[in-house]
Amino acid sequence: QKEVEQNSGPLSVPEGAIASLNCTYSDRGSQSFFWYRQYSGKSPELIMFIYSNGDKEDGRFTAQLNKASQYVSLLIRDSQPSDSATYLCAVDSGGGADGLTFGKGTHLIIQP
Amino acid sequence: GAVVSQHPSRVICKSGTSVKIECRSLDFQATTMFWYRQFPKQSLMLMATSNEGSKATYEQGVEKDKFLINHASLTLSTLTVTSAHPEDSSFYICSARDWGTGIEGYTFGSGTRLTVV
Repeated sequence: QKEVEQNSGPLSVPEGAIASLNCTYSDRGSQSFFWYRQYSGKSPELIMFIYSNGDKEDGRFTAQLNKASQYVSLLIRDSQPSDSATYLCAVDSGGGADGLTFGKGTHLIIQP
Repeated sequence: GAVVSQHPSRVICKSGTSVKIECRSLDFQATTMFWYRQFPKQSLMLMATSNEGSKATYEQGVEKDKFLINHASLTLSTLTVTSAHPEDSSFYICSARDWGTGIEGYTFGSGTRLTVV
């Protein structure tokens, strides 16, 4: 059974600070890792993806992957109130043929 | 970028009736589409994988006779919820992979909010 675990939160972060979101996964064969942002009642939108160990930066977002620890994280720098949403960690274990396994998501609140 | 169109966005139906949800890839061909379901405050759960020209693959616990999937063309997959009951009320989301865009190619439709009364 493939599992993706996230702290459901809510995680409250002051505006301008760094928000740190964490995710662990159970399937060591997982190949690609995604962070999606989902606003209430809306479909998920892709924030970042990563497939190699280490850090990957894109603007205010940094994804970190540690396959040995089966751990993925997302850092959001200079957090803005518009970043308030649920962040879903998703894992692709089937090379794109089997869909994604999602965590339950972390509800992030950026306090103005 | 790749766009997936999903319709309807909202539907209310009476218990016992059937509802069809359409998922279209607008600017790419999708041999595989995925159907997810999301209950309130829960994550997306994969229901089935829709394969063009062949039978869908259902996840454990998902009734294939209740959730009928048809993927008759490279740009269209449909999910029909048959004999819907209130417990089927959920947010249904389709996804397709545009292999031409590489690893980030998973694209999601806008979702369908189904309410069974």
